[in-house]
Amino acid sequence: DQQVKQNSPSLSVQEGRISILNCDYTNSMFDYFLWYKKYPAEGPTFLISISSIKDKNEDGRFTVFLNKSAKHLSLHIVPSQPGDSAVYFCAALQNTGNQFYFGTGTSLTVIP
Amino acid sequence: DAGITQSPRHKVTETGTPVTLRCHQTENHRYMYWYRQDPGHGLRLIHYSYGVKDTDKGEVSDGYSVSRSKTEDFLLTLESATSSQTSVYFCAITDRLNTGELFFGEGSRLTVL
Repeated sequence: DQQVKQNSPSLSVQEGRISILNCDYTNSMFDYFLWYKKYPAEGPTFLISISSIKDKNEDGRFTVFLNKSAKHLSLHIVPSQPGDSAVYFCAALQNTGNQFYFGTGTSLTVIP
Repeated sequence: DAGITQSPRHKVTETGTPVTLRCHQTENHRYMYWYRQDPGHGLRLIHYSYGVKDTDKGEVSDGYSVSRSKTEDFLLTLESATSSQTSVYFCAITDRLNTGELFFGEGSRLTVL
C-alpha cells in the first residue's frame, strides 16, 4: 500500500516557466518531508525538505509547500532550466519511525 | 559528498545463485538503508539498520537478508536470486532523522538471468 503517491509520472515545461510537482500522502503521522532529484545512472540527491510545523520552505529557485489538512505537498521550480530535467521523488518520515517512504517519482523534462 | 560506496556497481548472475551487495560508509552515520528502484514503483525500502547488529524489515524484504557487523558496512544478501530481483539497488545513510537527509550511494545494477 503506497503511503506516498506521485500521480504524475511525467511533466514537460518550457525553459523559464514554473514547474510544479505534486505529492500526496496518506499517513497523518508523517511529519518531515523531503524532495530528491535523480539523474540517470546516479543516486538520488537531496533537494529540499520541510517540517510539518511549516507550510513553506524556500531555497533559491526551489520552494516546497505543505498542506497538512489535504495531506499534500508540492515542489515549485522557478524558473525552470534544462538542467532541472530529472526524476523527482518526494519522501516522508514518520515522527516515531526510522523509515523514509518514497513516492514513485515524476520525470521532469524542461524544454529549451 | 557523503562517503558512501556500493559494490559491485554492476552484476549479472543466474537464477538460484547467492548474491551479496555491499554498502560502505566513512561518515560514521547510525542509520543505513537498502532500497530498490523499479519502473512504476519508485524507491522501495528493503531493509534498514539503526545500529550495529540492529536491523529491521522494510516494505519489500521477502527474499532478502541483511547484516551489519560494524558501523561502516551494511550487506544485502539475496540467498537465491530470482528474476524478480533484477533491479537497481541503492544504499542510503543518515545520522539524524527529523532534521537530516538521506545520502545515497551511486547504485548497484543487478541482473538475474
